[in-house]
Amino acid sequence: AQSVSQHNHHVILSEAASLELGCNYSYGGTVNLFWYVQYPGQHLQLLLKYFSGDPLVKGIKGFEAEFIKSKFSFNLRKPSVQWSDTAEYFCAGSSSNTGKLIFGQGTTLQVKP
Amino acid sequence: EAQVTQNPRYLITVTGKKLTVTCSQNMNHEYMSWYRQDPGLGLRQIYYSMNVEVTDKGDVPEGYKVSRKEKRNFPLILELPSPNQTSLYFCASSLSGTSGGIVQQFFGPGTRLTVL
Repeated sequence: AQSVSQHNHHVILSEAASLELGCNYSYGGTVNLFWYVQYPGQHLQLLLKYFSGDPLVKGIKGFEAEFIKSKFSFNLRKPSVQWSDTAEYFCAGSSSNTGKLIFGQGTTLQVKP
Repeated sequence: EAQVTQNPRYLITVTGKKLTVTCSQNMNHEYMSWYRQDPGLGLRQIYYSMNVEVTDKGDVPEGYKVSRKEKRNFPLILELPSPNQTSLYFCASSLSGTSGGIVQQFFGPGTRLTVL
């Protein structure tokens, strides 16, 4: 069955620390992968997406993610987090030819000033 | 301004009283979708629509109905709401890729529904 899982449910970092949030997927065939961010009280916004090509994807706000097919992973990274990055982060996946989108459980990131 | 709008934003209702949450987008997107967000469960897809008159079940369609009579609108209908449908609901829209997949979703602001 298709699935997306996020390893870390709650992460606490100090400002300027590096961030890596894990995401693993289970899909047959070609998969499109996404990372979304949800700031407190707001709706989801797209951080970055991967469809094909260069496996290192750069998104907004200094975030990047690397698609590693052999590990079925699409981890989100940021070299130096800021207090304003405090939010919930969702990984999501979709088969490239359907409209069915599966989200991971989400990771709450708390950045301490 | 390109956006997805939902109404109402907040709704408290009672068990069994039919309700509709509207969703509208002004970006001419083919694809629209409904999700519910519950603590610890992330977002789960309820229904989606690849185009007008085309709808499909997501992961948690039970107790919900949708329709897509026009490209811009995708209402979510709860004919017999129950307390387990208390949740935060998001509508989203997206262009469709050349092979039909989702390109990039734009989310609405959410509707917080409480069923007593």
